[in-house]
Amino acid sequence: NAGVTQTPKFQVLKTGQSMTLQCAQDMNHNSMYWYRQDPGMGLRLIYYSASEGTTDKGEVPNGYNVSRLNKREFSLRLESAAPSQTSVYFCASSDRGGRTDTQYFGPGTRLTVL
Amino acid sequence: KNEVEQSPQNLTAQEGEFITINCSYSVGISALHWLQQHPGGGIVSLFMLSSGKKKHGRLIATINIQEKHSSLHITASHPRDSAVYICAVRRPSNFGNEKLTFGTGTRLTIIP
Repeated sequence: NAGVTQTPKFQVLKTGQSMTLQCAQDMNHNSMYWYRQDPGMGLRLIYYSASEGTTDKGEVPNGYNVSRLNKREFSLRLESAAPSQTSVYFCASSDRGGRTDTQYFGPGTRLTVL
Repeated sequence: KNEVEQSPQNLTAQEGEFITINCSYSVGISALHWLQQHPGGGIVSLFMLSSGKKKHGRLIATINIQEKHSSLHITASHPRDSAVYICAVRRPSNFGNEKLTFGTGTRLTIIP
């Protein structure tokens, strides 16, 4: 099993460009999450999806959109990138309702917006 | 004030020392997680606790719900334990979704 995969690993954008970060999991998990990690701050939830076809805003959703394409895939889109969106982005998944509720993280995408 | 506070922010110790990392939180929780972020950036879950104590190898995690405090201990520390250790609390929600609120992490460096 690959676990949680993310593409790309690195990306540099110019202000105003758009891009989509891809995430997929092969653990048959219901819940998926997008986080951003900035220096000196804890991981912050951007959006989450409790199940296929549902999404909801997290702590810092402005400037982002998401799509839960199917149970495996959860993408994050930046429509018009801004320098404030320079960050490391992590996707995670968990088995909602499971006893352990461990979140499994992808390797991260390091995004720089110039 | 952050809902989840960790101390210390940075910790350097000699190989073999006993390590303690602390986490305090100010909100109601259903569980607390400890995670490890490797120098390369990958994040793995170490423990989930709702009460008492858990042990895995040289790692021990404890939680005191009344005092809203958890500790992560590492016995016989080794340079490979060098990482950022992150505390996160699970806050129950009306929709059954399990959101986590994260601390800013403790950077641990073990010197050979």
